[in-house]
Amino acid sequence: KQEVTQIPAALSVPEGENLVLNCSFTDSAIYNLQWFRQDPGKGLTSLLLIQSSQREQTSGRLNASLDKSSGRSTLYIAASQPGDSATYLCAPYDYKLSFGAGTTVTVRA
Amino acid sequence: GAVVSQHPSWVICKSGTSVKIECRSLDFQATTMFWYRQFPKQSLMLMATSNEGSKATYEQGVEKDKFLINHASLTLSTLTVTSAHPEDSSFYICSASGLAGGPSYEQYFGPGTRLTVT
Repeated sequence: KQEVTQIPAALSVPEGENLVLNCSFTDSAIYNLQWFRQDPGKGLTSLLLIQSSQREQTSGRLNASLDKSSGRSTLYIAASQPGDSATYLCAPYDYKLSFGAGTTVTVRA
Repeated sequence: GAVVSQHPSWVICKSGTSVKIECRSLDFQATTMFWYRQFPKQSLMLMATSNEGSKATYEQGVEKDKFLINHASLTLSTLTVTSAHPEDSSFYICSASGLAGGPSYEQYFGPGTRLTVT
């Protein structure tokens, strides 16, 4: 059974600071890994999808890395803004998506 | 593109009654739909996977007689919580994958349904 851990559980930073969100998973036999954003009481918005053959994926201020062999992924958010405040979930995909508990980010103006 | 809707967005029902939640893919054909449950401050847990026209596959520990899933068409799946109890109160989220223009395995998530059982 895939176990996903996200550290830290919560993070509060001033606007403009760079964010580093960590995700680890126990079973490295994955096809891909996704990072999602969830606003309070809302569904999920997909941010990035990294294939198992890729080392990283970028979209705007977001960059995600994947080290499949060690079971780790990191999401970097550059120059954070108050609008980035949300819970960020990582989800490796083997035969299904398995979610971590998320990192709740607060960006202070 | 690849929009998934859920209805209702929130529902309150009395203990012992049944409630149905709909999940629709609005602009693509969803060959597979997934139902997740999320308790406060916890992560999403997959409840079941359904393919159009087939019986749903339930995850271990999920009561198939309590959570009835129907995927009768390529754009609609329903989750019926039968004889609901307060412990069924949760946030239910569906997702869909299929012919959405991207990889067939990519899941697109609905906005969720908040169920409160009193």
